[in-house]
Formats: sequence, structure tokens, C-alpha cells
Amino acid sequence: EIVLTQSPGTLSLSPGERATLSCRASQSVSSSYLAWYQQKPGQAPRLLIYGASSRAAGIPDRFSGSGSGTDFTLTISRLEPEDFAVYYCQQYSSSPLTFGGGTKVEIK
Amino acid sequence: QVQLVQSGAEVEKPGSSVKVSCKASGGTFSSYTINWVRQAPGQGLEWMGRIIPIFGTANYAQKFQGRVTITADESTSTAYMELSSLRSEDTAVYYCARAFCGGDCSVYWYFDLWGRGTLVTVSS
Repeated sequence: EIVLTQSPGTLSLSPGERATLSCRASQSVSSSYLAWYQQKPGQAPRLLIYGASSRAAGIPDRFSGSGSGTDFTLTISRLEPEDFAVYYCQQYSSSPLTFGGGTKVEIK
Repeated sequence: QVQLVQSGAEVEKPGSSVKVSCKASGGTFSSYTINWVRQAPGQGLEWMGRIIPIFGTANYAQKFQGRVTITADESTSTAYMELSSLRSEDTAVYYCARAFCGGDCSVYWYFDLWGRGTLVTVSS
């Protein structure tokens, strides 16, 4: 099973700042089969990034993903008020599919 | 616009079973797999398994093997997740989520559409 470790657990930032979220895998994620999701309280997760760096339909270009192998990053270039939420990475290269523990981006 | 519409909240007793449904409203299951993911209160996301509706074949996470059954009815574009031998730790929101299945459904894929979730509470 591929274990995903996200850091930091909580990121306290102000609107307009840059957010950098990390996701580290316990073994290589083949073909960069890594996705990022955003979840707000009381809502289902929403797909942001797939294939490590491809933005899903309708996702603003302030969201970007990078990385390969075992180290992946989600960057939000300038935080908007609606971006404060919890973010999860997920690997879908092998079963069982696994998620990281999440990073909460909160307003400073 | 396709939506995944899930059944309503359930309250079950320990040792019993629960069956949650997920209907593709405004579309079909063609070319997709349906996955089930759960989230305990205040916790992260946990994948339970998936079904390939066009084949009727299901894959399960080892943790839930023997306790979970995922099925699908293509004629009604509805998938089901049944969890048995419920215990308090199974209290969670259960989500269905769609993943594209192109030419090779043996491959796993990211989830591009989620249902709104079904709260299952296990309590005596």
C-alpha cells in the first residue's frame, strides 16, 4: 500500500499569499497518477489536479501541481477567500487507492 | 449535467448491515467506474472499493474485503454499497465517486465527479 504523507498539517496564510502544499509517497507513484482535491466543510471533495499537473475542468489557473516519483506539490499562487479549505492528495497508480491525511489552509 | 444522487442518511445498530445507493442523474455509467470513499467525522478520506458497471466486476480494499459488497444496475444507472457487521467505527459519511474508464478498465483513475455523501451512524 502506498502511504501518502501531506505537510504541513495546517497552513495559516492571508488572502493574496502563495500556498505551497506537499505530498510525499512511501514509494514511487507510477505514471504520476496523483490527484489533488479540495474539500470545504459539509461538502464533497472536488477534483483540482490529476496526472500530477493537469488542471481539471473549470479550475482556475492559480492552482498548479508539480512533481513526480515520490514528491508532489500543489501551489496556489494567490489565495482567494474561497480557497480556504482542506486539500487532499490521492494516488491512483495502484490498489488500494490511498489519500493523504490532508492539509488545512486557514485564514491567518 | 450529470449528478450522482445518493440515498439519505441511515441509523443502524451494531452488527447490522447498511446499503447505500448512488444514481447517475442525467447520464449513464457508460465508460465509468463507480468508487466508494468514506470519511469518519473529522477524519480523512478512505477508499473502500469500486465497480465496473459494464462488466459487473468489483475490486475492494483489503481492509473491507468480506464486509463490503459493491453492485450496480446498469438499467437504472444506480450503484450500491452494502457494508455488513457494522460497528461504531463505521460511523462516517459515505461518498460515491465517478472515475473514467476508457479502453482499459483494469486501470484505476482519478475521481472527477462525487455524490454529496450519505451519513451512516452506527449506534445502539
